[in-house]
Amino acid sequence: QLQLQESGPGLVKPSETLSLTCAVSGGSISSNYYWDWIRQPPGKELEWIGNIYYSGGTNYNPSLKSRVTISVDTSQNQFSLRLGSVTAADTAVYYCARHVASNSLFDVWGQGTLVTVSS
Amino acid sequence: QSALTQPASVSGSPGQSITISCTGTSSDIGGYNYVSWYQQHPGKAPKLIIYDVSNRPSGVSNRFSGSKSGNTASLTISDLQAEDEAAYYCSSFTSSPSWVFGGGTKLTVL
Repeated sequence: QLQLQESGPGLVKPSETLSLTCAVSGGSISSNYYWDWIRQPPGKELEWIGNIYYSGGTNYNPSLKSRVTISVDTSQNQFSLRLGSVTAADTAVYYCARHVASNSLFDVWGQGTLVTVSS
Repeated sequence: QSALTQPASVSGSPGQSITISCTGTSSDIGGYNYVSWYQQHPGKAPKLIIYDVSNRPSGVSNRFSGSKSGNTASLTISDLQAEDEAAYYCSSFTSSPSWVFGGGTKLTVL
């Protein structure tokens, strides 16, 4: 059974870069799926951040595109998120998810990790 | 990109049916049959309950159903049960290409 697990610092200072990794277990990242990052500020709605195909192709939310980089490491079976120049508005639970490209759905989710932006 | 529009809250009594709407534009919901719905209980990750407008993943109760008309998608939950109390989010592929979620609807089972 495929499982996803987010990891990374829970506290990031304003203007710095948020970095998270999603480890994929129970299956290969090198398969016909996209791998996505989605976030949810406390008490608010879900926001799609971006995704990556195992071969490296990416798509990003236009509103975040200038600050976001998503990369994949097939040797480690994991993918990563970097979000630069963070502010308090980037405080959120960050989820990684598997994305079925042919049907445009998110069928497996990590448990989520809270990242707080504060000095 | 703007979030899809959902009612903030809906409520119903056990055994009743409720419908949650999700309104977008011709660049997202109206342009593609790639609408999905997610159920989220407090403190938990979202769970896929409907994909491709009206399809249910294996293991999801047939009390959940989806439909679409023009730029608006709908989720119907029949025979409401206490465990259905949760937040529900719609999502759609967009022409960017990107993906967008709705603002979420809190379902209260009275």
